[in-house]
Amino acid sequence: DSGVTQTPKHLITATGQRVTLRCSPRSGDLSVYWYQQSLDQGLQFLIQYYNGEERAKGNILERFSAQQFPDLHSELNLSSLELGDSALYFCASSVPEGEAFFGQGTRLTVV
Amino acid sequence: KNQVEQSPQSLIILEGKNCTLQCNYTVSPFSNLRWYKQDTGRGPVSLTIMTFSENTKSNGRYTATLDADTKQSSLHITASQLSDSASYICVVRPIYGNKLVFGAGTILRVKS
Repeated sequence: DSGVTQTPKHLITATGQRVTLRCSPRSGDLSVYWYQQSLDQGLQFLIQYYNGEERAKGNILERFSAQQFPDLHSELNLSSLELGDSALYFCASSVPEGEAFFGQGTRLTVV
Repeated sequence: KNQVEQSPQSLIILEGKNCTLQCNYTVSPFSNLRWYKQDTGRGPVSLTIMTFSENTKSNGRYTATLDADTKQSSLHITASQLSDSASYICVVRPIYGNKLVFGAGTILRVKS
C-alpha cells in the first residue's frame, strides 16, 4: 500500500458526460501529480499541484481540469468525455525531490 | 527537450534467465533517476533510485547502473521469476522544473 488513495477504482460513463476522480495523497506530501495511461501506453503527465497551487502542466486537454484543496486532496475533472478518454488515471504524491508514490489508479471506461 | 527513451519495447524471457533493460535520457541536469515496476493495472512502484553521482544500486535481484557521461541507465534482473512480468519504467527528475520525465516503459514477460 503506497498510502495514496484514489476513488473510484472503476468508472463507466457515456460520451459527453462529466466525471470527477479523487486522490488523497500520503500524509505529509504536498505535491500531487495526475497521469493518464491509455491501453498499452506509457504514463502521460497531466498536471501537478503543490500545496494547493498549480505547479506544472503537461498534455492536459482543455476539457480536463484539476484542483488541490486545503486538506491537500485533489480532484481531476473530466468533461465532455470522448471514447478516447478511456484510460487508467493515476495520482501520485511526493515531498519535494522525493519519490513519487502512486495510487492504484481509476480505470475510466467511456462507452 | 527533456526525453527518456527505453529499449526494448517488450521482452520475453524464460524463468530463471537474466535480462537487461535500457534507458537513454536527455534530461540534464538531473536530480535523480528511478526505475519503477508497474504490474498490469496497478500503480508503479519504485525499485531503485540513483543520483547523478552514483553508478550502481541494487535491490535484491534488481541492479540498476548509471553512466552520466553517456546519459544511459540499465536495469539488470537476475534469475527472473514469473512475478517479474510487468512494465519497467525509467523516470528522471530534472533539477529545474517540477515535472518528472517518464520513459514509455519496457514490457517484460517471464514464461515458464
